Amino acid sequence: DTEVTQTPKHLVMGMTNKKSLKCEQHMGHRAMYWYKQKAKKPPELMFVYSYEKLSINESVPSRFSPECPNSSLLNLHLHALQPEDSALYLCASSQDLTSGSMQYFGPGTRLTVT
Amino acid sequence: QKEVEQNSGPLSVPEGAIASLNCTYSDRGSQSFFWYRQYSGKSPELIMFIYSNGDKEDGRFTAQLNKASQYVSLLIRDSQPSDSATYLCAVMYFGDKIIFGKGTRLHILP
Repeated sequence: DTEVTQTPKHLVMGMTNKKSLKCEQHMGHRAMYWYKQKAKKPPELMFVYSYEKLSINESVPSRFSPECPNSSLLNLHLHALQPEDSALYLCASSQDLTSGSMQYFGPGTRLTVT
Repeated sequence: QKEVEQNSGPLSVPEGAIASLNCTYSDRGSQSFFWYRQYSGKSPELIMFIYSNGDKEDGRFTAQLNKASQYVSLLIRDSQPSDSATYLCAVMYFGDKIIFGKGTRLHILP
């Protein structure tokens, strides 16, 4: 089973709203990732968690706040977003951060900020 | 600056022919190489990975790695219309993040 699940599938939010994206995997993976993908562009790394600790933050604005409550769950809290933050948000997981550890993506959340 | 380069395409290939997708990378410290397929509006799907020089075959897919020349390629034999998608090359460095290329759009002509 190489399934990563994400909820919701679609989200429309105003610039003053607070919302959260959720990601879950039950593969025993210890590394989890958030990516942002705009149309016709490759995925852009936002955050990496390794063993439930934040390992990489790619200088993401503070209006995006990640959280890793346990080894299976990864959240992305959203607050005061801008219209340019509209994108496909992808969660991924891998065994760990060692070389060769394959990343598996969830189906993504399509976010629209109005 | 670690970079992964791909021709954006579109690459048009007749059905039943071999599709050849290429990728070059800048850093010799690269450890692992991945090919993802992404259909429009969907998330990337891992289809091949390769670590060692040479060829790796899985069904209709063959990944080829040449570390001396710093390129990795993906061959798709007996191309089908369902192979039409964007193919992302991804390179991982030891203990570091994956760097994605911008992707090549492949169009299989029926």
